[in-house]
Amino acid sequence: EIVLTQSPGTLSLSPGERATLSCRASQSVSTYLAWYQQKPGQAPRLLIYDTSHRATGIPARFSGSGSGTDFTLTISSLEPEDFAVYYCQQRSAWLLTFGGGTRVEIK
Amino acid sequence: QVQLQESGPGLVKPSETLSLTCNVSGGSVSSTTYYWYWIRQPPGKTLEWIGYIYNSGSTGYNPSLKSRVTISIDTSKNQFSLQLRAVTAADTALYYCASVGHNMWFDPWGQGTLVTVSS
Repeated sequence: EIVLTQSPGTLSLSPGERATLSCRASQSVSTYLAWYQQKPGQAPRLLIYDTSHRATGIPARFSGSGSGTDFTLTISSLEPEDFAVYYCQQRSAWLLTFGGGTRVEIK
Repeated sequence: QVQLQESGPGLVKPSETLSLTCNVSGGSVSSTTYYWYWIRQPPGKTLEWIGYIYNSGSTGYNPSLKSRVTISIDTSKNQFSLQLRAVTAADTALYYCASVGHNMWFDPWGQGTLVTVSS
């Protein structure tokens, strides 16, 4: 099983600041990594797929990068609606796995 | 655009069977474009995929749950279902259905339904 480790667990930032979230895989997943946003009481929403492709309707302030075992989700300037939990997920292996999540909270 | 909606009992007794249904609109469960998944999220924890069903009924299950899970499809009602047998408190979770299409990622998701296992 490929284990995805997200860091930090919680990120405390102010609106307008830049957020950098990390996802590290226990073995290479090539570029088969996605990011999801989950707000309280809502289902996860696909943000980024295949490491760096924004899903339909996702603003340009969200970007993804990385390959192999180290990946980054960057939110260039936090909007009030961006405070949420973010999960990474890999589909390199048949056994799909999710990371533990990073909570982005208002400082 | 495909839309998904889960339904089923919110409370199940230990050792019984959890049964949920996902109604699909805006697309066909018979389509070869989509895989139909069940995913769960225990309170305060991360996400775990349970299994999927595709087209004519081929399935795949998470090995950790395989012995207790059945996913089936009803083309006449355009829905797919989850059965999880012999549940325990550890199966208490938000259960989501989701589709995997062209981009091969979970998109979209249903709103989720909370299932509590308790006597």
